[in-house]
Amino acid sequence: AQKVTQAQTEISVVEKEDVTLDCVYETRDTTYYLFWYKQPPSGELVFLIRRNSFDEQNEISGRYSWNFQKSTSSFNFTITASQVVDSAVYFCALSEEYTNAGKSTFGDGTTLTVKP
Amino acid sequence: SAVISQKPSRDICQRGTSLTIQCQVDSQVTMMFWYRQQPGQSLTLIATANQGSEATYESGFVIDKFPISRPNLTFSTLTVSNMSPEDSSIYLCSVDGTGRGEQFFGPGTRLTVL
Repeated sequence: AQKVTQAQTEISVVEKEDVTLDCVYETRDTTYYLFWYKQPPSGELVFLIRRNSFDEQNEISGRYSWNFQKSTSSFNFTITASQVVDSAVYFCALSEEYTNAGKSTFGDGTTLTVKP
Repeated sequence: SAVISQKPSRDICQRGTSLTIQCQVDSQVTMMFWYRQQPGQSLTLIATANQGSEATYESGFVIDKFPISRPNLTFSTLTVSNMSPEDSSIYLCSVDGTGRGEQFFGPGTRLTVL
């Protein structure tokens, strides 16, 4: 069975601080996808990134970066120079269906509050 | 990317009634997925909807309570039957819009059962 753990329930930072959201996963499969989603107060779920299990290369997109480490089963997400608009709930998710990434297991989410 | 719309966006219903939620995608997709997000909780997969066959339900969800239709490759409905206050949630439709594992979600239907 697959499992995703986001140990940080809530994080509060001041604008311009860097913040890292942790994600640890469990799976028996050697082939899988990992995802991060953002859910702002409006409620809509926004896809941020997908990473497959064969690609451990870290990725940077603007102020966002992701660190995937298979050795520790972690897929952490860092926001650099945080902004108030980054305030949202962030979900990490895992899919064991290589060609069917829609069947995902989600973590409980981390609520990030960025204060001005 | 895939653009997904859901109707209704929100509803308030009485106990014992049923509500049908519609999900429309702007492109043809093989599989559509229905998730539930209870207040303050994470997302839980209810079922996978394939065109031309019965939906596949996850543990804890049954067809009698959550019947699903998938009449074509761009549309699906989820019915929440015989509702109780415990069914108050956001219901989300999703697809793998690119076939490469990029999952897209609809805006959700916020259901309140009184």
